[in-house]
Amino acid sequence: GAGVSQSPRYKVAKRGQDVALRCDPISGHVSLFWYQQALGQGPEFLTYFQNEAQLDKSGLPSDRFFAERPEGSVSTLKIQRTQQEDSAVYLCASSLGYGMNTEAFFGQGTRLTVV
Amino acid sequence: GDSVTQMEGPVTLSEEAFLTINCTYTATGYPSLFWYVQYPGEGLQLLLKATKADDKGSNKGFEATYRKETTSFHLEKGSVQVSDSAVYFCALSDSGAGSYQLTFGKGTKLSVIP
Repeated sequence: GAGVSQSPRYKVAKRGQDVALRCDPISGHVSLFWYQQALGQGPEFLTYFQNEAQLDKSGLPSDRFFAERPEGSVSTLKIQRTQQEDSAVYLCASSLGYGMNTEAFFGQGTRLTVV
Repeated sequence: GDSVTQMEGPVTLSEEAFLTINCTYTATGYPSLFWYVQYPGEGLQLLLKATKADDKGSNKGFEATYRKETTSFHLEKGSVQVSDSAVYFCALSDSGAGSYQLTFGKGTKLSVIP
């Protein structure tokens, strides 16, 4: 596709449920980023992949959060045993080069609501 | 740690008015500075950036100058249009902390009325 695609766009989960959020980056993009955006706040960094290698996961808020990019393209962010504080928009971005050396293109995000 | 502070919104302006959105930052290294824009129903888009002191980023009539002495990167536009209505985010990428992540401000919602 032409841009970064995220699915689902909206997800409602019951507290304690596991969820998986998908990101399809722009084809050929080396770098992939995940961000969490709470209501009324700016996005906050979660994790960074360079191809299939997860080089930085310092922003993951707890061990309930797990991300993977096994073949260096599609990425999945998994949240286990969801809590109400996990409610947020989860943004994925990709870039052609390494780190922030080239422009990052963002998807529209997945809005997660935990009830 | 790194942080970005931008003026709180919402900001409402009449068409053709002058726009300033203030942004200041703290960083441990020598950061690159960015403005991102989010139009209704769309993803974040890079509006402009500057990578070193005194650089001016510009795009679509918007400008911002990297001021190291005041640690600021204020966004300006001389004459706003209704189509500029969006949420604007100031952000930095700090070379000292590894250039893998952007640190964002909270965003400023701009509404332009005809």
